[in-house]
Amino acid sequence: QVQLVESGGGVVQSGRSLRLSCAASGFSFSRFGMHWVRQAPGKGLEWVTFIASETYTRDYANSVTGRFTVFRDDSRNTLYLQMNSLRAEDTAIYYCARDGPHYDVDHWGQGTLVTVSS
Amino acid sequence: QSALTQPPSVSGSPGQSVIISCIGTSSDFVNYNRVSWYQQSPGTAPKLIIYEVTNRPSGVPDRFSGSKSGNTASLSISGLQAEDEADYYCSSKIGSTTRVFGGGTKLTVL
Repeated sequence: QVQLVESGGGVVQSGRSLRLSCAASGFSFSRFGMHWVRQAPGKGLEWVTFIASETYTRDYANSVTGRFTVFRDDSRNTLYLQMNSLRAEDTAIYYCARDGPHYDVDHWGQGTLVTVSS
Repeated sequence: QSALTQPPSVSGSPGQSVIISCIGTSSDFVNYNRVSWYQQSPGTAPKLIIYEVTNRPSGVPDRFSGSKSGNTASLSISGLQAEDEADYYCSSKIGSTTRVFGGGTKLTVL
């Protein structure tokens, strides 16, 4: 079955960097686009970024453009999120999720918590 | 980036039906069937329950149904059960890569 396991979260000071990883299994990772979606404490879901399969086309939410970079290693079935210049408002659970075939996001990881302290 | 508007909360008694609305303004939302719905129970990851406006993934009870008219998509839940108490989010694909989520609706089963 499809499994997405995030790691790399933790407490980091404002202005510093952090890299998240998402290990995928149970499907042909290289054939699917992937998303990062975050959820601040007590708040709703916020789409962060997307990376396509094959073309590696990327897109970002306005709130992270220029600070976050998404990339993938298809040989390792792993998705990454490089987060630079972190701010307090980036504090959230970060979910890795698979781009589904029906304009949806069909599988989600369990999330990893990032806390940015000032 | 485009926004989707949901009511903050809805409630209903066991066995009753509720409807959660999702209002969008983008042409992608209005003109295409790119709307999906997600259920998030406390402390868990979101789960896809409706895709392409009306379709249910395997394993989702038929008590859950979706529809769309113009700029408003709706999630209907009939025969409410205690286990349906959760947060519900609508989402739409915008362009070829972007996703947008609604603010979420908390469903309380009284």
